[in-house]
Amino acid sequence: NAGVMQNPRHLVRRRGQEARLRCSPMKGHSHVYWYRQLPEEGLKFMVYLQKENIIDESGMPKERFSAEFPKEGPSILRIQQVVRGDSAAYFCASSPYVESYGYTFGSGTRLTVV
Amino acid sequence: GQQVMQIPQYQHVQEGEDFTTYCNSSTTLSNIQWYKQRPGGHPVFLIQLVKSGEVKKQKRLTFQFGEAKKNSSLHITATQTTDVGTYFCTDSNYQLIWGAGTKLIIKP
Repeated sequence: NAGVMQNPRHLVRRRGQEARLRCSPMKGHSHVYWYRQLPEEGLKFMVYLQKENIIDESGMPKERFSAEFPKEGPSILRIQQVVRGDSAAYFCASSPYVESYGYTFGSGTRLTVV
Repeated sequence: GQQVMQIPQYQHVQEGEDFTTYCNSSTTLSNIQWYKQRPGGHPVFLIQLVKSGEVKKQKRLTFQFGEAKKNSSLHITATQTTDVGTYFCTDSNYQLIWGAGTKLIIKP
């Protein structure tokens, strides 16, 4: 009965490289959400996806960031040409419904851009 | 846009003392959720409050939702080292408008 699985836990990238963050939702959950957290701050919503569809990407920067949730496999958050300001913890959560009684989070990916 | 403010930002307590964090929203909330995040960890859902004036308890934790559904509080009685972490309140919409959280620090 695995929870929300994220990998890698830690990711170091040089400026200009690409970062790929993966999230496998809980079994039976078809809604996936990505959030970014800077140190000493709360989470900031980035994007909400269902299988093969982006439902709401209003929190995602227009450039360099993209997300997908294919029919098979995990959801991917992709950051192209990373910059130092992208360093943060990225969490995903999943739920069986869009308005859920509490969201289950993965352990996060800590991205460090050097 | 909607804003959620939490106070205080930090609270230092001796083990065994009580702890309270307050959450205020600029708009009326449908529901409010509370999460706990340990240092280096991920947010863990604690509870959701739905009704105006609602009070819920989980062992030493007491959660309240204001009558106007614009504020909420979390009170911990007799803190323990396992309570250390940051406590966040948020609305229940998936966008989760988060406060900055209140960090509970136990004095050595």
